[in-house]
Amino acid sequence: SAVISQKPSRDICQRGTSLTIQCQVDSQVTMMFWYRQQPGQSLTLIATANQGSEATYESGFVIDKFPISRPNLTFSTLTVSNMSPEDSSIYLCSVSHGTGFINEQFFGPGTRLTVL
Amino acid sequence: AQKVTQAQTEISVVEKEDVTLDCVYETRDTTYYLFWYKQPPSGELVFLIRRNSFDEQNEISGRYSWNFQKSTSSFNFTITASQVVDSAVYFCALSESWGNTPLVFGKGTRLSVIA
Repeated sequence: SAVISQKPSRDICQRGTSLTIQCQVDSQVTMMFWYRQQPGQSLTLIATANQGSEATYESGFVIDKFPISRPNLTFSTLTVSNMSPEDSSIYLCSVSHGTGFINEQFFGPGTRLTVL
Repeated sequence: AQKVTQAQTEISVVEKEDVTLDCVYETRDTTYYLFWYKQPPSGELVFLIRRNSFDEQNEISGRYSWNFQKSTSSFNFTITASQVVDSAVYFCALSESWGNTPLVFGKGTRLSVIA
């Protein structure tokens, strides 16, 4: 299994500012995923982060707005840049352990962001 | 392309009633995984079950049971004798292939259990 922690757990920010969310895993994982959950909505994948390479972004998400770092196999950050109220969401970090028939998905507790 | 449909947006039941949450999925892969998660008001995602596409056996865990039918591309979730603590948003999700792939989530079903 994998235990994931995220910092901060919640924050209230002013529009136009940026926030960096940290994701720490207690074991080495190849791939990490960042999801966004807007209020009352489902989870949407923002990007996939491999260690040592550029993150891969889903349609509708761009690196300038959501830059991601993945410096090692246990850590990643997601920055929400130039924030607007529409960025108010829960941001979740996730990891996948997959070998053979096993595909386990673990989620962090989420970062609840409110932009004023 | 992958898609998960949870047609029930909100369900309200009285405590001790049984309730079934529907999930229909679409995928071109022959190997895939299906998941159910619970999201209580606190916001964290609670893992409930994972099922791979080769295992069509139904599963029961306490008051929870799951019915996986590949013929209808459905993976339904039943709560027996519902309790107020079951009130939450429930998500069905799909992961194609195996290993290191993200999930595609349905829109979720909000379940309210009334005492």
